[in-house]
Amino acid sequence: DAKTTQPNSMESNEEEPVHLPCNHSTISGTDYIHWYRQLPSQGPEYVIHGLTSNVNNRMASLAIAEDRKSSTLILHRATLRDAAVYYCADRSGGYQKVTFGTGTKLQVIP
Amino acid sequence: NAGVMQNPRHLVRRRGQEARLRCSPMKGHSHVYWYRQLPEEGLKFMVYLQKENIIDESGMPKERFSAEFPKEGPSILRIQQVVRGDSAAYFCASSPPISGNTIYFGEGSWLTVV
Repeated sequence: DAKTTQPNSMESNEEEPVHLPCNHSTISGTDYIHWYRQLPSQGPEYVIHGLTSNVNNRMASLAIAEDRKSSTLILHRATLRDAAVYYCADRSGGYQKVTFGTGTKLQVIP
Repeated sequence: NAGVMQNPRHLVRRRGQEARLRCSPMKGHSHVYWYRQLPEEGLKFMVYLQKENIIDESGMPKERFSAEFPKEGPSILRIQQVVRGDSAAYFCASSPPISGNTIYFGEGSWLTVV
């Protein structure tokens, strides 16, 4: 299984951009990179995923390094509702198992 | 279009009893995954199932834990002779049979062993 590492916690001011990093140095060429977030007492919520190219959706953007050893989740304008634990995960392209990183607890300061 | 449904949401068991957690995947999803989250910790993979088949159970404890996903009905995670260390949130996720697609989680079942 690929191993992913993330900072334990980060802070951001409200309405400012947030860049959440993830290292996945042992990722294989067919593994997808996924991001989820989890609010207290809730199940993980899908945020975004990609393979090689940068991806955008209504929630966030995902920037994937050219060598795919790292990725960055970008929240363009943090709101108080974005305070959560953000998990980077990898999913084998040919095998469906999703392995989660350690998670980053994001605190948004009003 | 209902999401992944888990029940019960909260379950209290005495040490030595059995716990059964149920998961109904999203419509059209034939792959089910179970994860465990201990207090203040991350998500740990337990088992991956397709209908009537266990594909990967590398994260399941060797004893007391079992999982099934029958042809009809929900997936069941069964914990026999529960101990205090089994107290955790158990999350089920499902996905369609398409490689690389994301998986969608239920709201979890919180097991407390007293």
